[in-house]
Amino acid sequence: KQEVTQIPAALSVPEGENLVLNCSFTDSAIYNLQWFRQDPGKGLTSLLLIQSSQREQTSGRLNASLDKSSGRSTLYIAASQPGDSATYLCAAETNTGNQFYFGTGTSLTVIP
Amino acid sequence: DVKVTQSSRYLVKRTGEKVFLECVQDMDHENMFWYRQDPGLGLRLIYFSYDVKMKEKGDIPEGYSVSREKKERFSLILESASTNQTSMYLCASRVSYGYTFGSGTRLTVV
Repeated sequence: KQEVTQIPAALSVPEGENLVLNCSFTDSAIYNLQWFRQDPGKGLTSLLLIQSSQREQTSGRLNASLDKSSGRSTLYIAASQPGDSATYLCAAETNTGNQFYFGTGTSLTVIP
Repeated sequence: DVKVTQSSRYLVKRTGEKVFLECVQDMDHENMFWYRQDPGLGLRLIYFSYDVKMKEKGDIPEGYSVSREKKERFSLILESASTNQTSMYLCASRVSYGYTFGSGTRLTVV
């Protein structure tokens, strides 16, 4: 079973700072990796999806990379804003299954 | 864009009640999923479905059942609600290579 870990559990940064969120997974036979954002009491919003043949994806100020050999993915947020405050979750799918396994998330607070 | 709709944002039910959580997607996707989310435990898969009338157990199916009579609708059923089923319930539909989630149902069992 795929185990997904996100460290740190919480992060607080001043507005404007560039930051990196980390995600590690145990099974390198990864098929897809997806990053989500979750606001308090809400569902998950998809941010970026990296397919197995890709190494990174970009959307606006967000960039996600995938290194299967080391079992890691990072989400880079440029020029952080207070509106970026949320919990960020990563989820990994292996070649053998049809489900994603989720980390417990990193709670990000951007201080104005 | 795919839309996944969960019928209720908040529910309060009594212990022992039979509870239905409904999820509807609008793009004829085959794969649908039910997760529960608890602090410190993350998202855990309860059940998923590959197609109409097909269902597979996830990691924590005990105390739950599901129904998929039409492709667009996937229902989660709590046969006899208990307080330890108080949680946030999230439905997802498979969108090409990734998931789209509904807005969640916060269920409280008293």
